[in-house]
Amino acid sequence: AQRVTQPEKLLSVFKGAPVELKCNYSYSGSPELFWYVQYSRQRLQLLLRHISRESIKGFTADLNKGETSFHLKKPFAQEEDSAMYYCALSGLGSNYKLTFGKGTLLTVNP
Amino acid sequence: GAGVSQSPSNKVTEKGKDVELRCDPISGHTALYWYRQSLGQGLEFLIYFQGNSAPDKSGLPSDRFSAERTGGSVSTLTIQRTQQEDSAVYLCASRIDRGNEQFFGPGTRLTVL
Repeated sequence: AQRVTQPEKLLSVFKGAPVELKCNYSYSGSPELFWYVQYSRQRLQLLLRHISRESIKGFTADLNKGETSFHLKKPFAQEEDSAMYYCALSGLGSNYKLTFGKGTLLTVNP
Repeated sequence: GAGVSQSPSNKVTEKGKDVELRCDPISGHTALYWYRQSLGQGLEFLIYFQGNSAPDKSGLPSDRFSAERTGGSVSTLTIQRTQQEDSAVYLCASRIDRGNEQFFGPGTRLTVL
């Protein structure tokens, strides 16, 4: 069975501080990993995916297959980063349905 | 272009009533998904459509839940004899055939009294 674990429900940092949102997964095979973000009163949207190896809004995430992790990092948090972040997994050939973690609410304080 | 739209945005119903939730995917997106977002459970997959057929209904929680899609476009999620535990935000997402990014609608907040 596939599972995504985000151990922190809440994370609070000060502006300019580094931030790391943790994500661990369980999947027997090669998954695709994603980070989705939901800003206040906005719809859920894709932030980044491991396959693209991109940096979006200063965020990066590296897939570590040995540790089965896909942590999201940003060196200097901004107030506008405050949002709900969801880590998600889809299996190859699984119709791309997403299994989500329960989310981490990030608050960046001024 | 227009994104995924859902209606109604809010629905309040009494226990035991049936409800229908509608999703309009992005034009040309052949894949359509329904998810449920509830307190304590997070986001859960319900059903996947490819065109008008549903090859994966594994997330539907009971036989009170059903969904259909017509014309490869609009989808309707129907919940019969609603229960209080059905209260949640129901999200629809669509995906273009050769992509892996899902685009989400704003959701329908269902409250069962």
